[in-house]
Amino acid sequence: KAGVTQTPRYLIKTRGQQVTLSCSPISGHRSVSWYQQTPGQGLQFLFEYFSETQRNKGNFPGRFSGRQFSNSRSEMNVSTLELGDSALYLCASSLAQGMNTEAFFGQGTRLTVV
Amino acid sequence: AQSVTQLGSHVSVSEGALVLLRCNYSSSVPPYLFWYVQYPNQGLQLLLKYTTGATLVKGINGFEAEFKKSETSFHLTKPSAHMSDAAEYFCAVSNAGNNRKLIWGLGTSLAVNP
Repeated sequence: KAGVTQTPRYLIKTRGQQVTLSCSPISGHRSVSWYQQTPGQGLQFLFEYFSETQRNKGNFPGRFSGRQFSNSRSEMNVSTLELGDSALYLCASSLAQGMNTEAFFGQGTRLTVV
Repeated sequence: AQSVTQLGSHVSVSEGALVLLRCNYSSSVPPYLFWYVQYPNQGLQLLLKYTTGATLVKGINGFEAEFKKSETSFHLTKPSAHMSDAAEYFCAVSNAGNNRKLIWGLGTSLAVNP
């Protein structure tokens, strides 16, 4: 059974550009969550999608957005990139919403903004 | 608001020694508590979780944690460290609800010396 796949693994972008990250959940999983990981702030929740609807959102500016497709694959978009957006972006999938279902994490996309 | 404090950003133990990683939380509602492990250039893997019921929780790789409500703690232990335990460990809390908004500690890097 394939795990959570995030593409690309590494990305270098310039300030002001936009970027789209992709996450393919484990087959059958319908919930996808996104997190930003930085050395200074640690892991911070971005948003969660379930059945193509955003169910929960963290405290990030509107430059950060996402969506989920009918096959449960999810994309995250960051517009007008800033140097501070450099981070490891992690995606997690689970069968359903709620804390009783385990979340499985992908290896992440490391974004560097120069 | 919920928060998590992991005492000690770096912990070093000898192989075969006891591992103790500390986690304290604050939550105004009954918490769900988690420990995750992250190996270099990898995603996060769930070690164990506490939702309700027995306060001593056993996880994978010989780890366990005890939920102590009076001390608002959820410390992670392993009786005998192995070289393969060297990794970053994260404690996280969430409220008992239908969301995946995990609040994370900043992590503890565990080094195991031969």
